[in-house]
Amino acid sequence: DGGITQSPKYLFRKEGQNVTLSCEQNLNHDAMYWYRQDPGQGLRLIYYSQIVNDFQKGDIAEGYSVSREKKESFPLTVTSAQKNPTAFYLCASSIDEGLAGFGEQFFGPGTRLTVL
Amino acid sequence: GDSVTQMEGPVTLSEEAFLTINCTYTATGYPSLFWYVQYPGEGLQLLLKATKADDKGSNKGFEATYRKETTSFHLEKGSVQVSDSAVYFCALLAGGTSYGKLTFGQGTILTVHP
Repeated sequence: DGGITQSPKYLFRKEGQNVTLSCEQNLNHDAMYWYRQDPGQGLRLIYYSQIVNDFQKGDIAEGYSVSREKKESFPLTVTSAQKNPTAFYLCASSIDEGLAGFGEQFFGPGTRLTVL
Repeated sequence: GDSVTQMEGPVTLSEEAFLTINCTYTATGYPSLFWYVQYPGEGLQLLLKATKADDKGSNKGFEATYRKETTSFHLEKGSVQVSDSAVYFCALLAGGTSYGKLTFGQGTILTVHP
């Protein structure tokens, strides 16, 4: 079955540590995204990537970094510079529909990060 | 910039009641509109979508009509079930956008009691 996987489901980090969240998709989608979700709020875009080896900052990129070395993978690193990293992180992907732009986004199951 | 406003929750209903969750938007051009649903501890699932004015999206008994004149995309269901308890997000995908950025509303928590 095609889909998006995220790992781990739960992640605990000590202050001052960097951690990396995994996101893999086998949908052959072109674009991938990372969102952060905090209680009572909508999703906020951290980073996005339209093609391999290219990515752009979203609305809240400070303290985060990404890479896109393969089409199917888009890992997110939460660095020690992120002041309040405890949140639910969601990865998504979408297909490039050419002139019509990008299609709807499909989401992974999420990773809950807690800073101890 | 683009924005989405959802009715404030939480919404609590009895089983078989009628559901409406209001969603209005502000956008330039001709956006596509979506409703996503999130069950506890899970990611978002696409519930329904509409890509142009007057389109009606429907799925699992839920419906929403793209109303350009009122810039709205209200979610409705005629008879809710306990299993519909979840968080519902209205979202907008700007037309012709170069990277497919979704703009989300803040989400509405729905609780359905037996």
